[in-house]
Amino acid sequence: AQSVTQLDSQVPVFEEAPVELRCNYSSSVSVYLFWYVQYPNQGLQLLLKYLSGSTLVESINGFEAEFNKSQTSFHLRKPSVHISDTAEYFCAVINTGRRALTFGSGTRLQVQP
Amino acid sequence: DTEVTQTPKHLVMGMTNKKSLKCEQHMGHRAMYWYKQKAKKPPELMFVYSYEKLSINESVPSRFSPECPNSSLLNLHLHALQPEDSALYLCASSQMGPNEKLFFGSGTQLSVL
Repeated sequence: AQSVTQLDSQVPVFEEAPVELRCNYSSSVSVYLFWYVQYPNQGLQLLLKYLSGSTLVESINGFEAEFNKSQTSFHLRKPSVHISDTAEYFCAVINTGRRALTFGSGTRLQVQP
Repeated sequence: DTEVTQTPKHLVMGMTNKKSLKCEQHMGHRAMYWYKQKAKKPPELMFVYSYEKLSINESVPSRFSPECPNSSLLNLHLHALQPEDSALYLCASSQMGPNEKLFFGSGTQLSVL
């Protein structure tokens, strides 16, 4: 079975401050890991993904995540957030045997001026 | 065209009504998904179609009936729903499987009275 845990339901942060959204996964086999973002009244958009290779993956809007197999983590970071980053962020996992994503419970990032 | 289009955006129905949700994509994706999302919760997988055949049914009640008429269209037929079925219903598609990027529609907000 696969599962993913997002440790923080809400993360308030001031604009231009750094942020880390935490994600831990559980799987008995190899996994693929994803971060999706959901803006209000919209569907989800892929932010970044780890399939294999380099453990540090980056998105085009300044977010990055590092796959840590020993700690079974895939934390999302951004060195300086903007008001427009306010959204719900979902970590998701799929193992190589299953054909669909399992989402974490989500973290609400609230960027304040 | 990199969009998944869902109609209607909002739907209010009684428990005796029959209605359908529609989803369309023209990206040539061969995997299509229905997810259900309750407020402040992550999306929950309902159905997966691969090459127009139902490949995953996550033990969804029979009052939800999916249909994939062709590779671009996905429907969700609703009948005799309960108030607890009120949620945001999200459609998604991907190229070959869920380890590829999922493209989500903006969803249908369903209210069952």
